[in-house]
Amino acid sequence: IQLTQSPSSLSASVGDRVTITCRASQGISSYLAWYQQKPGKAPKILIYAASTLESGVPSRFSGSGSGTDFTLTISSLQPEDFATYYCQQVNSFLPLTFGQGTRLEIK
Amino acid sequence: QVQLQESGPGLVKSSQTLSLTCTVSGGSISRGGYYWNWIRQHPGKGLEWIGYIYSSGSTNYSPSLNSRVTISVDTSKNQFSLKLSSVAAADTAVYYCARGFPYYYDSNGSVSHRFDYWGQGTLVTVSS
Repeated sequence: IQLTQSPSSLSASVGDRVTITCRASQGISSYLAWYQQKPGKAPKILIYAASTLESGVPSRFSGSGSGTDFTLTISSLQPEDFATYYCQQVNSFLPLTFGQGTRLEIK
Repeated sequence: QVQLQESGPGLVKSSQTLSLTCTVSGGSISRGGYYWNWIRQHPGKGLEWIGYIYSSGSTNYSPSLNSRVTISVDTSKNQFSLKLSSVAAADTAVYYCARGFPYYYDSNGSVSHRFDYWGQGTLVTVSS
């Protein structure tokens, strides 16, 4: 199974609303998680089950989708949100593949 | 607070076996229900899942690495380990260990889990 994220990179400003898309090569129901990674650091879980916010993650992050198409939305970008974001399929019957990542940069 | 820490040689010669250990603190690795994962990241690239070992001892590996990977657990030391054989330059990467916390058990037997705790990562360079 392959996960394709778009865009691969984007530039945005503080306060912007940003949406990142993850498309699966076959249906994966809601078996999808989103991670944030900052340079030199391990990834951090943001969302699982496609739309469930991990405890402690700000509510400006949200996820949606099911089947093959998923989105991660940041409603109002904060300076600490500039990072790389990855989606991951989490159905244990399949390889736990990650998307290629989306780099979010400051405009 | 659960913490994971990778350890092992930072330099491995080509064709040899890469061996890393992840030490878990703040919780028992033998407590049932968790998945213990290895993930790697090539320099400047994305994340690649390598495989996991479940608390029962069952394993699941990436198809692209399956023939070279072994993940095992040592409950007496609260550690799990990765062995990757016949390494080449393409195996140079930062290697992470992570705990998989299950949150959904499907009626067909599949389990969804999220990686809630990660180690800081360790760079392994394969030299010729």
